[in-house]
Amino acid sequence: GAGVSQSPRYKVAKRGQDVALRCDPISGHVSLFWYQQALGQGPEFLTYFQNEAQLDKSGLPSDRFFAERPEGSVSTLKIQRTQQEDSAVYLCASRSLGYTEAFFGQGTRLTVV
Amino acid sequence: KQEVTQIPAALSVPEGENLVLNCSFTDSAIYNLQWFRQDPGKGLTSLLLIQSSQREQTSGRLNASLDKSSGRSTLYIAASQPGDSATYLCAAALGGIYSGAGSYQLTFGKGTKLSVIP
Repeated sequence: GAGVSQSPRYKVAKRGQDVALRCDPISGHVSLFWYQQALGQGPEFLTYFQNEAQLDKSGLPSDRFFAERPEGSVSTLKIQRTQQEDSAVYLCASRSLGYTEAFFGQGTRLTVV
Repeated sequence: KQEVTQIPAALSVPEGENLVLNCSFTDSAIYNLQWFRQDPGKGLTSLLLIQSSQREQTSGRLNASLDKSSGRSTLYIAASQPGDSATYLCAAALGGIYSGAGSYQLTFGKGTKLSVIP
């Protein structure tokens, strides 16, 4: 596709519900990142994939957060038993290998009520 | 741990004015530095990428500079327009726990919210 696509754009979840957020990266981009952006803050790193391999998950805030990219393209970020503090915008970015420019999607705004 | 600071947090200028946004980072061993624009409720739009070996990059009315030794970058916007109103974020690229080629993560500042008044 022309850019990074994320769905849904908005998600309201009841506390304790599981959610799944989807990211379609730019075709051919090897690297994929997930970031979390709280209101009024800059994005914070969650996890990094190179193709289907999750090489860095040091930013995931708890074991309720899980990400996968089984075929090296589309990625899903899953949050189990959502809590109010999970409310944020979740951003996905992709780029080609090397020290190249990262391209971000529009984000998914998650609100836990 | 890399920390990125952006000053000022907010800036309001009249249309047509030239302005400078500042970004500082604590770890000078960066691969590159990227400036983004974020409109309300939207994702990030990449504006400029400066590799660690470069001193500046230009795109239209935008010019970004990088001084690794002092841990600073500036984004210069010439002849500002109301359409430039947005939050501007800088992000420094450092290697993550995986040291493979091209592997890095971005550490962001909190952004500068720019308002250009017509």
